[in-house]
Amino acid sequence: EAEVAQSPRYKITEKSQAVAFWCDPISGHATLYWYRQILGQGPELLVQFQDESVVDDSQLPKDRFSAERLKGVDSTLKIQPAELGDSAMYLCASSLGLAGNQETQYFGPGTRLLVL
Amino acid sequence: GQNIDQPTEMTATEGAIVQINCTYQTSGFNGLFWYQQHAGEAPTFLSYNVLDGLEEKGRFSSFLSRSKGYSYLLLKELQMKDSASYLCAAMDSNYQLIWGAGTKLIIKP
Repeated sequence: EAEVAQSPRYKITEKSQAVAFWCDPISGHATLYWYRQILGQGPELLVQFQDESVVDDSQLPKDRFSAERLKGVDSTLKIQPAELGDSAMYLCASSLGLAGNQETQYFGPGTRLLVL
Repeated sequence: GQNIDQPTEMTATEGAIVQINCTYQTSGFNGLFWYQQHAGEAPTFLSYNVLDGLEEKGRFSSFLSRSKGYSYLLLKELQMKDSASYLCAAMDSNYQLIWGAGTKLIIKP
């Protein structure tokens, strides 16, 4: 069964350091999403890609967060510098990406980030 | 504004039935999703409703009333492994998911 891959699964860093997360969506999925989930809350969309283009990054804190999907396949989310409040689960999801479609999003295992 | 409401926590007994409610307000509507999320893991897809009525899938069923902005997830013959958070998410007119905070379901023997 095809799955969304993410790495690392866990990351501990000190504040002001840089961190990067990687995601490989299900093969053939054009749409890729990065979410942040704080314990006890629902996922919050950070950025959405359609192929290599950003569709929505309105909730991405652009002063410290960046995301790219250069070849329209895998993606990297970076935080620089990390702050204590960035401690959360970072989830990557993908969907087929057919325009105007109500599509199911499939999630990877997530990266749990702890900033000390 | 857009909003999803669901109870924070529910408790049920192994073998019983539980209903988790969700109400939503969105700009446009393109369907309602339910996901299951075990502690420390990623959400996994359970169901999708876009038309009024009940969709049954094994022990899990999901209901939608578009006129009332209301959905529920029904879990039958509860098992200990059903202890998890259940996330309700509505898709708006831009095909974006609006997520609830999740309902933590505790199953007792």
